[in-house]
Amino acid sequence: DVKVTQSSRYLVKRTGEKVFLECVQDMDHENMFWYRQDPGLGLRLIYFSYDVKMKEKGDIPEGYSVSREKKERFSLILESASTNQTSMYLCASRNRGGVLTFGAGSRLTVL
Amino acid sequence: GQNIDQPTEMTATEGAIVQINCTYQTSGFNGLFWYQQHAGEAPTFLSYNVLDGLEEKGRFSSFLSRSKGYSYLLLKELQMKDSASYLCAVRDVQAGTALIFGKGTTLSVSS
Repeated sequence: DVKVTQSSRYLVKRTGEKVFLECVQDMDHENMFWYRQDPGLGLRLIYFSYDVKMKEKGDIPEGYSVSREKKERFSLILESASTNQTSMYLCASRNRGGVLTFGAGSRLTVL
Repeated sequence: GQNIDQPTEMTATEGAIVQINCTYQTSGFNGLFWYQQHAGEAPTFLSYNVLDGLEEKGRFSSFLSRSKGYSYLLLKELQMKDSASYLCAVRDVQAGTALIFGKGTTLSVSS
């Protein structure tokens, strides 16, 4: 079975802290994605990556950066967390048919 | 840009049939996906349409009309476990390989 694993299910951070959200897939997929999901706004694309060391901005990249040093790992970084970044963060990996497999999500609260 | 519209909420009773509509506007359409998301869980893939017509998969079917920018997801013989959010997502070549999601339709099935 295809698997996407997100390192933390729940995090609580303070304003200004640096936050790392890790995502690992075991399917040798080239394409990986970070979305955030908020009530009434749905899933919004933050960043995606076509391959190792490649990254592309999504619809809402401000305040975020990403790292893809290895094919299986795609990290989302909040350099200085703010309260408006409190959200559910979903990582996904895409197969050749275009289907996304999502991780279980990381619920981040910024105080 | 892209725009995807679907109803916010729908209700239905067990055993009934429900149709969830999705309309979209994109400049480079390259496929439409439906995902199911139970509360507190990650979205899971339901169906994919790239050509016009109906795709059937057990109790679930999905229809696409590219000329009308329209899709629907049809759920038959509804069960309580079908209570979930249903997400319509479009792949647009102008947006790379990423999926752009609608805000989702929350379906409540009652007995």
